[in-house]
Amino acid sequence: GQQLNQSPQSMFIQEGEDVSMNCTSSSIFNTWLWYKQDPGEGPVLLIALYKAGELTSNGRLTAQFGITRKDSFLNISASIPSDVGIYFCAGQSLGSGGSNYKLTFGKGTLLTVNP
Amino acid sequence: NAGVTQTPKFQVLKTGQSMTLQCAQDMNHEYMSWYRQDPGMGLRLIHYSVGAGITDQGEVPNGYNVSRSTTEDFPLRLLSAAPSQTSVYFCASSRDRSSYNSPLHFGNGTRLTVT
Repeated sequence: GQQLNQSPQSMFIQEGEDVSMNCTSSSIFNTWLWYKQDPGEGPVLLIALYKAGELTSNGRLTAQFGITRKDSFLNISASIPSDVGIYFCAGQSLGSGGSNYKLTFGKGTLLTVNP
Repeated sequence: NAGVTQTPKFQVLKTGQSMTLQCAQDMNHEYMSWYRQDPGMGLRLIHYSVGAGITDQGEVPNGYNVSRSTTEDFPLRLLSAAPSQTSVYFCASSRDRSSYNSPLHFGNGTRLTVT
């Protein structure tokens, strides 16, 4: 089946530093999503990308849909303590028949921010 | 607007016991799904439903049953709990199965321990 390789698995950074994480796959996706999970809660959508090459920002977050449609990255600028959590990428592909959408999640990047 | 509501938040079961994890959404979403989250494994799809009366298996369906009698509710049943089912379970919904302009909304999870 499809797999997403998300890296790094974990990051320990100082407050104020920039962060970059990415997801790669051998499969093509038509949508890339980035979620954040705070401790004890469910994942919350940060950014959705729908077009190859698309670059989208949401405050201090910037994400890009790779031109090959097989990868995506998420950058966080000037990190703050509340950025702590697990970040997941997810890619959606369109299977056979035109309606068999499949959403695949990466295994997550655990971000720790030291004040 | 409550979004996706999961109950209970925590549950401890003995091996062989049965229970139902409840999930309700108030967004009139057609698509609902159940995931389990285990350390180092990311989010894995258990079962999903594209509308009332329609359910299908995901990546890891064994040991779980679902039904969708209404648009709002999508309960997950464990018929005979096993220690391997110790996990955090998330219910998620979206307008339809495609993530295009309709990304998944997650509940806050049920933490299940089977002893």
